[in-house]
Amino acid sequence: RKEVEQDPGPFNVPEGATVAFNCTYSNSASQSFFWYRQDCRKEPKLLMSVYSSGNEDGRFTAQLNRASQYISLLIRDSKLSDSATYLCVVMGVTGGGNKLTFGTGTQLKVEL
Amino acid sequence: EPEVTQTPSHQVTQMGQEVILRCVPISNHLYFYWYRQILGQKVEFLVSFYNNEISEKSEIFDDQFSVERPDGSNFTLKIRSTKLEDSAMYFCASRGSGNTGELFFGEGSRLTVL
Repeated sequence: RKEVEQDPGPFNVPEGATVAFNCTYSNSASQSFFWYRQDCRKEPKLLMSVYSSGNEDGRFTAQLNRASQYISLLIRDSKLSDSATYLCVVMGVTGGGNKLTFGTGTQLKVEL
Repeated sequence: EPEVTQTPSHQVTQMGQEVILRCVPISNHLYFYWYRQILGQKVEFLVSFYNNEISEKSEIFDDQFSVERPDGSNFTLKIRSTKLEDSAMYFCASRGSGNTGELFFGEGSRLTVL
C-alpha cells in the first residue's frame, strides 16, 4: 500500500461547484496532516493543516478520520483560480527531521 | 516576506557530470530538506538536515548524493555523477522550530541530464 494515496483526477468542474478530494495514508503513527497546493511547474505551498475535529478556512474544509486513516478536502463555490493540483501530505515524527510525505496529488480544473 | 531561494533555476548537464544545486533557506529556520519531482510525478523526499547533519534520507538518496551547509546560510545538494533519470525539479525547503508542517519551498532548480 502506498504511504499516501490520492485519486489523481483530473476533476473537471464548473465554476461554483463543490468538489471533494480524498486521501488515505498507511502509517497509523503519522502525527500531522496537511493539504498543499501546487500550481503547474511551481513549488508546493501550504493550503491548510488538517485537525481531528475538522477545520474550515473560507471555502475550504478539511477533515481527518484517524481510525480510517482518511483525510478529505472540500472546496465550495470553486473559482477558476482554484485550478491546481492538491497534495495530501502526512508528517511523521522521525529523528529531528519530521519528514513530509506527499501523495501524488489530485488535479482540479475549474471551468467557465 | 522571507523566502527560500534556489540557484540555478535551470541547469543542463551531460550524463556523468557533477552538479551542485544551491539553496538559501529562510534565515531563522532550523530544518532543511531536499525534495525532487520528476515531470508528471509526485514530490519525493530526498533528505532532511538538522543541526548540521542528515536526520533522515530516502532510498533515492544514495552515495551519488550529498548535502552540505558550508557557511551557515547556503544549503547545497551535490549529485556526483548524474544519470539520465536524475532529470527532475529539485526543491529545497526549510521550516522553523515547533511541530508545524509548513515547509517553505523554493521555486525549484530544474535539472536536465542529457
